[in-house]
Amino acid sequence: DAGITQSPRYKITETGRQVTLMCHQTWSHSYMFWYRQDLGHGLRLIYYSAAADITDKGEVPDGYVVSRSKTENFPLTLESATRSQTSVYFCASSDLGLPSVTDTQYFGPGTRLTVL
Amino acid sequence: AQKVTQAQTEISVVEKEDVTLDCVYETRDTTYYLFWYKQPPSGELVFLIRRNSFDEQNEISGRYSWNFQKSTSSFNFTITASQVVDSAVYFCALSEGAGTNFGNEKLTFGTGTRLTIIP
Repeated sequence: DAGITQSPRYKITETGRQVTLMCHQTWSHSYMFWYRQDLGHGLRLIYYSAAADITDKGEVPDGYVVSRSKTENFPLTLESATRSQTSVYFCASSDLGLPSVTDTQYFGPGTRLTVL
Repeated sequence: AQKVTQAQTEISVVEKEDVTLDCVYETRDTTYYLFWYKQPPSGELVFLIRRNSFDEQNEISGRYSWNFQKSTSSFNFTITASQVVDSAVYFCALSEGAGTNFGNEKLTFGTGTRLTIIP
């Protein structure tokens, strides 16, 4: 199906382990984003990418690594997971150009990550 | 830096009452975009509206309406005749539009307002 998907939807890991969250979109959107959602903080931007091989830090990038070798994929890696990275992670994508009034970032369903 | 404040953490109203969710934003840009998203208990983010800084016209969509006032840097959201299905967390968000992506760039979210409609 077309759209934006995230995998896994749920993940439990232990402190110190490496974890990769996957994001895939089928629209060929130029922009992709990773946000984390925590109580009391809303959604905060971790990293974003304007195109393949172009990435930039957001508000809370520490402890995360991203790559974008293909336009449709934007994996997020926690190199050594910590308990403070327990959160719900949302991937999003958007397109370039003049948007309509209904245009926005399109969000994936989220990944709930628990770090023990 | 841009900032979005949703001072109301939680609101509860009885079904059929009207309710207004407040959103106050800060930005140095003259071109920017404002959004509202709904996050129902199922967890997905549902886009409700997008408004650019040059369009202060109020918007009505069914039971939903939005009041954008640049003078007070506010973009408030009103639900008329609330229903139980309106129970959700609502997020206001801001995107600065100085780049070429016309507001489709990174979003700054408020902390959200949890709305509970009591049957």
